[in-house]
Amino acid sequence: GAVVSQHPSRVICKSGTSVKIECRSLDFQATTMFWYRQFPKKSLMLMATSNEGSKATYEQGVEKDKFLINHASLTLSTLTVTSAHPEDSSFYICSASRGHANTEAFFGQGTRLTVV
Amino acid sequence: SQKIEQNSEALNIQEGKTATLTCNYTNYSPAYLQWYRQDPGRGPVFLLLIRENEKEKRKERLKVTFDTTLKQSLFHITASQPADSATYLCALPFSGGYNKLIFGAGTRLAVHP
Repeated sequence: GAVVSQHPSRVICKSGTSVKIECRSLDFQATTMFWYRQFPKKSLMLMATSNEGSKATYEQGVEKDKFLINHASLTLSTLTVTSAHPEDSSFYICSASRGHANTEAFFGQGTRLTVV
Repeated sequence: SQKIEQNSEALNIQEGKTATLTCNYTNYSPAYLQWYRQDPGRGPVFLLLIRENEKEKRKERLKVTFDTTLKQSLFHITASQPADSATYLCALPFSGGYNKLIFGAGTRLAVHP
């Protein structure tokens, strides 16, 4: 199956700093990637759709200035949590599909962010 | 708005038995439905996709049914093993959304030896 790699898997940062999370499709090109957030024992919540070469589309309630998304190439999307606060602590996961409708999503390993 | 419900309580079964998990949805007519497995601290892994015109789909010990009238999918694991212990997520595409998925909260399955 296709591989999506996410880095880092864990990060601890101080309040007020920014953290960048990378999501790479290793063996296919992804014009669209998705970023999710997951709280303990809760469902994955879609944050935004990352579009290669254009602006990301954010879901309602997600601050675009807080969560900056860049999709500069067909194999890389980045999520930057700016001016992080303890309430931003969560599990962030990216996904990508091969590009055809109605197909499976390949997920990264996830990033555990802890803001202290 | 679209809503997905999975039994939030953990399902505990004995090894060798069949596990059955339920996914119900409302306010929606999806073209397909997917099931994923998620282990603690990991991203979800795709298991099966079933389309609206398919009643049942199988893959090894897994079986999924899709009842568009009841707006329900059942996910079965036969001859369950302790290694099947994980959280299982039901996912539907956002209406009009290209591969954007909305997930249920998941059901945690524990298979005991």
